[in-house]
Amino acid sequence: GAVVSQHPSRVICKSGTSVKIECRSLDFQATTMFWYRQFPKQSLMLMATSNEGSKATYEQGVEKDKFLINHASLTLSTLTVTSAHPEDSSFYICSARDQRVNSPLHFGNGTRLTVT
Amino acid sequence: GQQLNQSPQSMFIQEGEDVSMNCTSSSIFNTWLWYKQDPGEGPVLLIALYKAGELTSNGRLTAQFGITRKDSFLNISASIPSDVGIYFCAGQLLTSGSRLTFGEGTQLTVNP
Repeated sequence: GAVVSQHPSRVICKSGTSVKIECRSLDFQATTMFWYRQFPKQSLMLMATSNEGSKATYEQGVEKDKFLINHASLTLSTLTVTSAHPEDSSFYICSARDQRVNSPLHFGNGTRLTVT
Repeated sequence: GQQLNQSPQSMFIQEGEDVSMNCTSSSIFNTWLWYKQDPGEGPVLLIALYKAGELTSNGRLTAQFGITRKDSFLNISASIPSDVGIYFCAGQLLTSGSRLTFGEGTQLTVNP
């Protein structure tokens, strides 16, 4: 079945630094991947849609210059949190689907970001 | 944007009991999905529903796509301790690509 791998699973960084999170589709190609953010005891909120070979589409209220998304290949999308602040601490989750078989979205295991 | 109302917000049950949770929407969805999330992990797909009225089972789990296409329910029969977790419904519009709208989640606790 479709497997989505996310790395790192956990990261702690200092305020002002940047952090890159990778999302890979392991056994399928994904022209589109999605990045979600989840705060404690809350649901998943879509941040942006990552499109291979073109610019990402950001949801309303999500700063594109702060959350840089790059989807340079059909199996890899990266989310870079730039100049991170404590309020950026959250659980970031990516998802993708194998469009060849019209399968539902599968999610990575998430990245717990803590900004100190 | 679309809103999904999921209920109940939390449930505390005894092992062996059956569980039911549901989601309703003001919008019509083309696909309903049910996910389970364990602490510190990403959501795992449980059941996918593609047609109005569809009833699908996955082991002790059964889910249905409402006839109106605005609701779905998930039932868990004979619950066991490992059923503990947060269950999310998600709806997908045909016109939204693969973008999902998530419910608020149902926190399930199973007492042995």
